Amino acid sequence: GAGVSQTPSNKVTEKGKYVELRCDPISGHTALYWYRQSLGQGPEFLIYFQGTGAADDSGLPNDRFFAVRPEGSVSTLKIQRTERGDSAVYLCASSLAAGGVETQYFGPGTRLLVL
Amino acid sequence: AQSVTQPDIHITVSEGASLELRCNYSYGATPYLFWYVQSPGQGLQLLLKYFSGDTLVQGIKGFEAEFKRSQSSFNLRKPSVHWSDAAEYFCAVGVTGGSYIPTFGRGTSLIVHP
Repeated sequence: GAGVSQTPSNKVTEKGKYVELRCDPISGHTALYWYRQSLGQGPEFLIYFQGTGAADDSGLPNDRFFAVRPEGSVSTLKIQRTERGDSAVYLCASSLAAGGVETQYFGPGTRLLVL
Repeated sequence: AQSVTQPDIHITVSEGASLELRCNYSYGATPYLFWYVQSPGQGLQLLLKYFSGDTLVQGIKGFEAEFKRSQSSFNLRKPSVHWSDAAEYFCAVGVTGGSYIPTFGRGTSLIVHP
């Protein structure tokens, strides 16, 4: 079956602009996670959803970052007033349910470059 | 809070040689432990995971890892490396209970020489 998909695969924007990154999880997966991966680093947790609600948003770096999952499937990560430091690969993952025993399946990521 | 250390940024091996990638974690209780592989342009793929029980865990693609509580380690091994194993490898630790969010190490880049 189809895996996790993310669009766009690459996004170049200018400092101060607004961007949206989309994630389509595996069908039937109730948990969805967003991570950010900077060059030479491992993924860092941003936010995770159980269904439509954000169960844990403790990893969002500041209020310029926001994510939604209105129907419990597709999620959008929104970044306002982008800064050069936001440049990174943004990864999305989904799992059948939330919890430590569940395997997270990752998408290929969106590479964001802020000029 | 939990943390993960992967002390080797790069590892170079010859095809057919054995491999061991090191991972040390810091956490007060028994953690959940994972190894992921990331190939260029691909998402992270889970190789194996440890939650409890047998401390030697078998994974996909011929990989295994051993949980050693006394050393706070979860090293990844493969007896014979193939050129297609060249990739970035990430160790991750998750806390037991709660919402569970893994903390990843910075990764080890595996280079395979023919």
